[in-house]
Formats: sequence, C-alpha cells, structure tokens
Amino acid sequence: KQEVTQIPAALSVPEGENLVLNCSFTDSAIYNLQWFRQDPGKGLTSLLLIQSSQREQTSGRLNASLDKSSGRSTLYIAASQPGDSATYLCAVRLYDMRFGAGTRLTVKP
Amino acid sequence: GAVVSQHPSWVICKSGTSVKIECRSLDFQATTMFWYRQFPKQSLMLMATSNEGSKATYEQGVEKDKFLINHASLTLSTLTVTSAHPEDSSFYICSARDRVGGGSTDTQYFGPGTRLTVL
Repeated sequence: KQEVTQIPAALSVPEGENLVLNCSFTDSAIYNLQWFRQDPGKGLTSLLLIQSSQREQTSGRLNASLDKSSGRSTLYIAASQPGDSATYLCAVRLYDMRFGAGTRLTVKP
Repeated sequence: GAVVSQHPSWVICKSGTSVKIECRSLDFQATTMFWYRQFPKQSLMLMATSNEGSKATYEQGVEKDKFLINHASLTLSTLTVTSAHPEDSSFYICSARDRVGGGSTDTQYFGPGTRLTVL
C-alpha cells in the first residue's frame, strides 16, 4: 500500500525566505505526483503536476522536483509571502490518488 | 480547466438522520469518481472509488452500508451518509476523472468539498 509522508508537518518562516517542503512515497510505481495548496476550511488548489517521466515543473515562484526511483519530491517556494500561508499537500497517483498529511506553512510579515 | 462541483457546501444535521452529498462534473464525463474524507488538521483519506454504472469499491475500514455511493450517470455521483453520528462530522471531497482506469496523462479534478456537522 502506498504511503506518503511529508516533512516538516509545520513550518514558520519570515517573509522573503526561500523554503523547501519535502514529500516521500514508498511505492515508485506512480503515474504522477501533484502538489496542492489548501486554505483553512477550503478545497484543494492544484499547484504543480509532475508526470512520472519528468524531473521537475515550475510555475512562478514554485518549483517541484521528482525523483521517482528514490520516492522523493520537493516543493521549493522562492521569496515567500504572507499569502503563501496555507497547508501544502502532495499526492501520488497510480490508479487512485494518495495524499500526505501536509505541511502547514506560516509566512510572517 | 475542468470543473467539479459539490452540493451542499455545508450541512448540519441531527444524529440519526441521513445526508446526501452530490458531486457533479460540469464540463466533462466522469467515468471514475472518488470520495475522500478529511478530519480537522489531517490529510485526505480515500473512502471509495466508483466507476459509472458499477458498484463502488470501498477502502478498508469504510463501511459500505453507512456510506452509500451512487454513480448512476457520467456527470453525477452521490454520497449518502446514513444514520449520521457526530463522529461522521468531517470535510468530504469528491474527485472526478474522465477515463476508466486512468491514463498516465489524464487529470483528476477535485470538488470544493462539503462540510458535514452532525449534532
């Protein structure tokens, strides 16, 4: 059974810092990995989708990498802003999608 | 991009009553739909997978007689929480995909979620 782990569980940084969120998964047989953002009490916002054949994806200040063989992905956020405060979830998909527990990010002004 | 809607967005009910949550794909045919549950400060846990016209496949530990899933059309799936109890209070999120079995490049779209509170 696929297990997805995210480290750290919570992170608090001052505005402007670059930061890295980590995601690991136990079964490398995946179609893709996706990073989501979830604001309190809200649904999911897709940030980046990396196909299993890809190594990384970039969107604005976000960069996600994937090392399928080692079962790891990182989400890099550059020049963090208070508006980035949210929970970040990674999910891996083969037939269905399995989620990590998330990293709660707080960016202080 | 594709849109998935859920109705209602929130519901409060008394213990012992049944609650139905609808999930609709608005601009594509969802041959496969997924239902997730999220408790406060926890991640999304897959409850069940349903293919249109077939019985849902439930994850281990999810009571199929309590959480009734109907995927009768290509644009609508419903989750009915029967005889709801306070411990069923949670955030329920549906997701839809437009291909049975899933290709490597097709996308899974998520609804905005339904907050269920059972008193």
